[in-house]
Amino acid sequence: NAGVTQTPKFQVLKTGQSMTLQCAQDMNHEYMSWYRQDPGMGLRLIHYSVGAGITDQGEVPNGYNVSRSTTEDFPLRLLSAAPSQTSVYFCASTAGRRNSPLHFGNGTRLTVT
Amino acid sequence: GQSLEQPSEVTAVEGAIVQINCTYQTSGFYGLSWYQQHDGGAPTFLSYNALDGLEETGRFSSFLSRSDSYGYLLLQELQMKDSASYFCALRGNTGFQKLVFGTGTRLLVSP
Repeated sequence: NAGVTQTPKFQVLKTGQSMTLQCAQDMNHEYMSWYRQDPGMGLRLIHYSVGAGITDQGEVPNGYNVSRSTTEDFPLRLLSAAPSQTSVYFCASTAGRRNSPLHFGNGTRLTVT
Repeated sequence: GQSLEQPSEVTAVEGAIVQINCTYQTSGFYGLSWYQQHDGGAPTFLSYNALDGLEETGRFSSFLSRSDSYGYLLLQELQMKDSASYFCALRGNTGFQKLVFGTGTRLLVSP
């Protein structure tokens, strides 16, 4: 199994540009989420989804949009990139039990200049 | 809200035992998890405590005390490959698919 797959691995954007970070999982998990990781700040939840067609905001949602049209895919869209969005982005999925671990993708390292 | 505190860095030598502490504040949660992350890599799951007490998985053990709002990860027989960052994370009872992570502890293992 591939698990959680994120693309691209690296991306450089100019301020104001838009882009979509892709995330796909093949474990048939209902729950998917996006985190960003900045030095010294751990992982912070951006948006999450509890199933196809259902999304909600996490701790730091501003500047990002998500949609969940299928169980497998959960793309993250940056509407108008800002230098403050320079970060490492991780997509994760989990099964529907309280003790289910998060399975993370390998991350997308985004730089906004 | 929820918040978790961890020491920023811990150092130890190969073969030793090290404990990484995590104190938290929350109004309610299902359990406390631990994740390992090597430089440039993705976080990977280590352990989960739903109840008070010790959970053992090989060289790693994790402990939770709800009355003290405290948990720790214990790593035994340290190896060089254990050098990584370790994160505690709360699974809140407002949505168990949402984890709130601590800021992480960087463990440096020396020969």
